[in-house]
Amino acid sequence: NAGVTQTPKFQVLKTGQSMTLQCAQDMNHNSMYWYRQDPGMGLRLIYYSASEGTTDKGEVPNGYNVSRLNKREFSLRLESAAPSQTSVYFCASTIQTTLSPIGYTFGSGTRLTVV
Amino acid sequence: DQQVKQNSPSLSVQEGRISILNCDYTNSMFDYFLWYKKYPAEGPTFLISISSIKDKNEDGRFTVFLNKSAKHLSLHIVPSQPGDSAVYFCAASEDDMRFGAGTRLTVKP
Repeated sequence: NAGVTQTPKFQVLKTGQSMTLQCAQDMNHNSMYWYRQDPGMGLRLIYYSASEGTTDKGEVPNGYNVSRLNKREFSLRLESAAPSQTSVYFCASTIQTTLSPIGYTFGSGTRLTVV
Repeated sequence: DQQVKQNSPSLSVQEGRISILNCDYTNSMFDYFLWYKKYPAEGPTFLISISSIKDKNEDGRFTVFLNKSAKHLSLHIVPSQPGDSAVYFCAASEDDMRFGAGTRLTVKP
């Protein structure tokens, strides 16, 4: 099915471990985003990529890095996981090159627990 | 600093009645507002939006109202159906997009 695919769906890490969350879209969208969702906080933007080859920080970038590997793929890396990074992570994409919310397609999320 | 606030964590309504979900914002520079719907174990899906130059946008059973002077928007669902039970996120954009914390709507048969 067309859309945004995130892997893995669930992950448990020990403090200090590293991992990469993968995201791929097959809709030929230009812009891709990583959000985290925490109880009582809504969705907060971590990093985004307005177009292939560019990445920018969002609202809560500390502790994360990203790579826009090609137009389809946008990965999020935790170099040294901390319990504060326990969250549900969502990847999203849109055809537009600006941060307009119109037409965002979200993946189903990755539930990450850091112990 | 939450620029978009949904002060009601939950709302329960009877099937067939109106559901009204509220959202307040603080940044007068927001130029676009929207609502997303989220089911458990799924990502949010876009529901309806409104530009800051309008005060109402309607799409079937869903209507969004914007009151810029009060920095308030609301989503009306009429009539409510059990399948509408989900978490609803309000969002607003200027240079980037800010989400509210969400309101869990339960529609009882």
